[in-house]
Formats: sequence, structure tokens, C-alpha cells
Amino acid sequence: QQQVKQSPQSLIVQKGGISIINCAYENTAFDYFPWYQQFPGKGPALLIAIRPDVSEKKEGRFTISFNKSAKQFSLHIMDSQPGDSATYFCAASKDTGTASKLTFGTGTRLQVTL
Amino acid sequence: GAVVSQHPSRVICKSGTSVKIECRSLDFQATTMFWYRQFPKQSLMLMATSNEGSKATYEQGVEKDKFLINHASLTLSTLTVTSAHPEDSSFYICSARDYKAYGYTFGSGTRLTVV
Repeated sequence: QQQVKQSPQSLIVQKGGISIINCAYENTAFDYFPWYQQFPGKGPALLIAIRPDVSEKKEGRFTISFNKSAKQFSLHIMDSQPGDSATYFCAASKDTGTASKLTFGTGTRLQVTL
Repeated sequence: GAVVSQHPSRVICKSGTSVKIECRSLDFQATTMFWYRQFPKQSLMLMATSNEGSKATYEQGVEKDKFLINHASLTLSTLTVTSAHPEDSSFYICSARDYKAYGYTFGSGTRLTVV
């Protein structure tokens, strides 16, 4: 049973546009929601993360919006650039004990065109 | 920030041989490390959780005798793919949890090709 659903599967955005990726989770015990960026042949790199006590977090061009009641969170990339072309994964985990582990979404392949 | 070093980045081995992949946390102690497998254009699939000084916890469907995990120190975990076969060819990624910063840092991955 997939616990984190991610959409869209792929996304094409023009340079300067806004890229929006959405995720929905089922487990209400999750309390840590990171987004990762992955380039081909590389491991995922943390982009930005949020906890459920805030509804929005912004770091540079990247913003996470979090809706606890709807169990949804999204990544907004403002002023998208060709260098942002990568695969993005949302994830979720519980901050309990040493065995807490990340549950990943299925990924979104973003292509930013000139 | 936290850095996880994974080696080798690429390895080609013959069918039937074993391959060891190392994952090191360079600037923090990682009591827990995770091993993932990723197929092309797919998400990361957790294979096992490795705790320092104890046996790894494997996810359902992962053969523990084929994928041997050792976490002998707070900064090193290894994954050994034993008696490798072409179907084991994949991208393997490790991750370590930094409890001070509460983050999960990933290695750069290992592309394993079994011929």
C-alpha cells in the first residue's frame, strides 16, 4: 500500500515559470516531510523540508505548502530554470525511534525548457 | 552539512561473484543507515535498515542472504551483493540519519552491472 502519492509523473515548464508538484499522504503519524532533487546517476539531495506545525516554508525559489487537514503538501519552484530539470521526490517519515524510515513518493520528472 | 560518501560509484562484476559497496558518514555519527535500490525511472525502494552493532532489518521480499549488510561502526555500513546475477544490476543508494540535525543524507549511489 503506497502511503505517499505524488503527482504529476512528469512536468514541462518554461523557463521563468512556476513548477508545482503535489503529494498526499495517508499516515497521520508522519511528522517530517522532505523534498529531494535527483539528477541522473546521482543520489537524492535534500531540497527543503517541513514539519506539520507550519503551513509554509520558503527557501530561495523553493516553497513547501503544507495542509495538515487535507494531508497534502506541495513543492513550488518559482522562476524555474533549465538547471532545475531533474526528478523530484517527496517523502515522509515519523520522528520516533531509530527505526523511523522515509516513505517516498513515486517521483516527478521536471523539464524546464528555454 | 552532513556528508555521506559511497564507494564505488560504478562497478562491473561477473555473474556469480560478490561485490561490496561502502557507505561512510564523514562528519557525523550515524547509528542508523538505510540501503535503497532504484530501477530506471522509478522511485527508491528501501531494502534494509542498518543499525550499528546489530543485525539489519530487511524489508519484505529482500533476500537477506543475498544482500549482506554490516554496520560495524558509527560511520560505516557495507552492502555485499553475494553471488551476483544480471537481475541484481541496479542503482544502489545508501542513506544515513543525522540525529542532531534530524535529516537523512544520501550517498551518491553505486551503479552495479553484472555481466
